[in-house]
Amino acid sequence: EIVMTQSPATLSVSPGERVTLSCWASQSVSSHLAWYQQKPGQAPRLLIYGASTRATGIPARFSGSGSETEFTLTISSLQSEDSAVYFCQQYNNWPPETFGGGTKVEIK
Amino acid sequence: QVQLVQSGAEVKRPGASITLSCKTSGYPFTTQFLHWLRQAPGQGPEWMGIIKTGDGNTIYADKFHGRITMTRDTSTTTTYMQLSGLRSEDTAVYYCARDGRHGDNYEGWFDLWGQGSQVTVSS
Repeated sequence: EIVMTQSPATLSVSPGERVTLSCWASQSVSSHLAWYQQKPGQAPRLLIYGASTRATGIPARFSGSGSETEFTLTISSLQSEDSAVYFCQQYNNWPPETFGGGTKVEIK
Repeated sequence: QVQLVQSGAEVKRPGASITLSCKTSGYPFTTQFLHWLRQAPGQGPEWMGIIKTGDGNTIYADKFHGRITMTRDTSTTTTYMQLSGLRSEDTAVYYCARDGRHGDNYEGWFDLWGQGSQVTVSS
């Protein structure tokens, strides 16, 4: 089973700042990597799939990059509504599809 | 409106079974696979299994083999997940989620989620 690791666990950022979240896979997952946003009491929402393709309706300030074992989610200019937990998920070697432990983004 | 609507919260005793439902609407039911996942507090989601809505074929995570059964009813566009032999560690929010790929195969990312069903297992 592929283990996904995310860093940092928590991030406190001011509105308007650039945010970079990292995700590592224990072995190559090619570009089969997705990112999700989850707010308290809500289901996860798909942001990115294929490592860099934005899902329908996702604002352009969200972008994904990386391949093989190292991936990044960038929020170019943080908005207050971006306060959430962000999860990465690999779907290269399944079953099972596996998720990282998440990064919590807080607004300063 | 394209959506997945799940059944409500449940409280069960250890050893009991539970059946959760997930009704789809707003798109052709058989065009995309459906997955079930769960999420314990403070953790990332955990994949449990997948059902091909067209013919009902399933694949389950090894962890749940022997305890899990997924079925679907095409007449009501509803998918069901039954989990037996419940224990306290099964306490979590359970989600159904649609696979992002259209057609006869799946990819394993999730483009649409249900609202979640809280399951609490307690004596």
